Amino acid sequence: DTEVTQTPKHLVMGMTNKKSLKCEQHMGHRAMYWYKQKAKKPPELMFVYSYEKLSINESVPSRFSPECPNSSLLNLHLHALQPEDSALYLCASSQDAESSYEQYFGPGTRLTVT
Amino acid sequence: QQQVKQSPQSLIVQKGGISIINCAYENTAFDYFPWYQQFPGKGPALLIAIRPDVSEKKEGRFTISFNKSAKQFSLHIMDSQPGDSATYFCAAPGGNYGQNFVFGPGTRLSVLP
Repeated sequence: DTEVTQTPKHLVMGMTNKKSLKCEQHMGHRAMYWYKQKAKKPPELMFVYSYEKLSINESVPSRFSPECPNSSLLNLHLHALQPEDSALYLCASSQDAESSYEQYFGPGTRLTVT
Repeated sequence: QQQVKQSPQSLIVQKGGISIINCAYENTAFDYFPWYQQFPGKGPALLIAIRPDVSEKKEGRFTISFNKSAKQFSLHIMDSQPGDSATYFCAAPGGNYGQNFVFGPGTRLSVLP
C-alpha cells in the first residue's frame, strides 16, 4: 500500500472556526510533511515530523498547529485562519528524513476560508 | 536557503516529440535531486531522481541530466504522449541536512495529440 490518505477532501471554514485536517499512511514511513500549495504555484513546506517529533517548522503562523499522534497519523489543527490561507494542503510521507527526496503525497485538502 | 529556478514556465509539444525542462539551483547540495509530476486535482508524484555524483539517469522515456559544476539539471521526456500532460516540478535539497526540499516554480506541459 503506497497510499497517503487525507480527509476531508474539501473544507470551507469561517475565520473564527476551529477545524482539523487529517493525514494517514500505512507504509511504515517515519517522516511526514505538511505543505501548502496555492493555485499554479509549487508546494511550500510547512512542517516536517521525523519519528513523531517536529523537526522543521518553516516559520508557519501559530494559527496552524501540527500534531503527530502516532507514526501513521498527522493532523493539522486550524484556528482563526485568514482568507489568504485558502489553498490546497498536502500531506506527504517518506521512509525517513534521509529519504526525503522520495516523498509520497496525498491528494490534498482544498481549504477555503470565508 | 536553497533557491530553485525552472524553465520554461509552460511547454507545448506534439505527440512523439521531446519535452525538455531545465532546472537550476543555487546552494551546494549533497542529496538526490528529484522531479515530481502533478496532475490536476492530485498530489505530486515522484517521477525520477538523481544523485549529484551521477551525470545521467534514465527510466523508460524519462531521463535526468545533471551538471554539478553548473548547478543545473534537466528532465527529458522522449516520445511525449498526451498522458504526460501535467505540471512538472524539480526540487533541490535545502536546510542544514537536506530534509526540506525546495520546489521549482513548475512547468506546465501540454502534449498535443
